[in-house]
Amino acid sequence: EAGVVQSPRYKIIEKKQPVAFWCNPISGHNTLYWYRQNLGQGPELLIRYENEEAVDDSQLPKDRFSAERLKGVDSTLKIQPAELGDSAVYLCASSLLAEQFFGPGTRLTVL
Amino acid sequence: QQPVQSPQAVILREGEDAVINCSSSKALYSVHWYRQKHGEAPVFLMILLKGGEQKGHEKISASFNEKKQQSSLYLTASQLSYSGTYFCGTAPNTGNQFYFGTGTSLTVIP
Repeated sequence: EAGVVQSPRYKIIEKKQPVAFWCNPISGHNTLYWYRQNLGQGPELLIRYENEEAVDDSQLPKDRFSAERLKGVDSTLKIQPAELGDSAVYLCASSLLAEQFFGPGTRLTVL
Repeated sequence: QQPVQSPQAVILREGEDAVINCSSSKALYSVHWYRQKHGEAPVFLMILLKGGEQKGHEKISASFNEKKQQSSLYLTASQLSYSGTYFCGTAPNTGNQFYFGTGTSLTVIP
């Protein structure tokens, strides 16, 4: 069974540029999560989807971050414009029940 | 809202035991435990639901005291492969939020 797929794996951009991350969850998993993980810290939930509905986006900085999950499968997380403080690893996870399966993450560096 | 873990870091010799604690300020419905190795994604270990149960997973087990809003992860007879950062994840009684803890770095040496 294929795991959670994320792309790109690494991204380096200059501040004020836009950036987008893509996630393909495990087939059949209705719940999809986007996390941000800073170095040495635990993942911070940005947004959670149940199928195509965002059920918790309380931690998503809505002035610059946006997300969508088309047809309840793939998802895209966008930052526009990026700031220096956005440098982090962005993790996508999916679940059918409680156990979350994580993708490899996208390491974003904002210069 | 982020659960606090203790200790922040621990170094063990192979075969020694360790306990990692997770404490929340909110009433909890469930507690998850994950292990993350350097440069990798977190991997699920186990989940404990409201009810104070204890679970086991080979030589790794955990307990959940919902009254104290705390969970503990027990690692017995540690192996080199246990090294990594352990995170608890908590889901409060209400709402859809999920919070990872502050993390505990565990290093097992020969």
